[in-house]
Amino acid sequence: DQQVKQNSPSLSVQEGRISILNCDYTNSMFDYFLWYKKYPAEGPTFLISISSIKDKNEDGRFTVFLNKSAKHLSLHIVPSQPGDSAVYFCAASGISTGNQFYFGTGTSLTVIP
Amino acid sequence: GAGVSQSPSNKVTEKGKDVELRCDPISGHTALYWYRQRLGQGLEFLIYFQGNSAPDKSGLPSDRFSAERTGESVSTLTIQRTQQEDSAVYLCASSLSGGVLRGYTFGSGTRLTVV
Repeated sequence: DQQVKQNSPSLSVQEGRISILNCDYTNSMFDYFLWYKKYPAEGPTFLISISSIKDKNEDGRFTVFLNKSAKHLSLHIVPSQPGDSAVYFCAASGISTGNQFYFGTGTSLTVIP
Repeated sequence: GAGVSQSPSNKVTEKGKDVELRCDPISGHTALYWYRQRLGQGLEFLIYFQGNSAPDKSGLPSDRFSAERTGESVSTLTIQRTQQEDSAVYLCASSLSGGVLRGYTFGSGTRLTVV
């Protein structure tokens, strides 16, 4: 059962525009949400996180929004740059769900110069 | 080392053979995780180590899979009698305990192909 879902397998955005990547989850007990970025032949790298007590966290060009009532989070990248082209995974965990993070299937972002 | 190191980076094996995958975590990281990613799927949790103990093995898919960690450092994931459905990228990650919002540091993975 996929507890974290990324329904868009791919996204293309023009350089300089905003990229919005979406993620939905089913388990209301999740407390922590993370976004990872993955380049080909490399492991995922941590990008940004948010805890369930917040609805927004910003780090430079990256902002994560959390809507707990809708069980939805999104990652905004603005302005998008060609170097942002990668696969983005969202992940969720909680005190009650143990030590593992549940990952989505990823969204492949292409930023067109 | 500076990052999480995994070896081999690629492994092709015949169905029915055993394989060992190795992970060298970041020095001082007490938590170590194994995940795998099959084609077109998300990352799937396999096992978590705290120190040399594995309090959570819930993700190991069958008794053909086992893992150990020694010296609070190197971990080995062993798959016995490999099957074609074991083909995946196996990712190791490490972290400091209590740093859940800082995320894990992942290695580059071992791509396992069972033919």
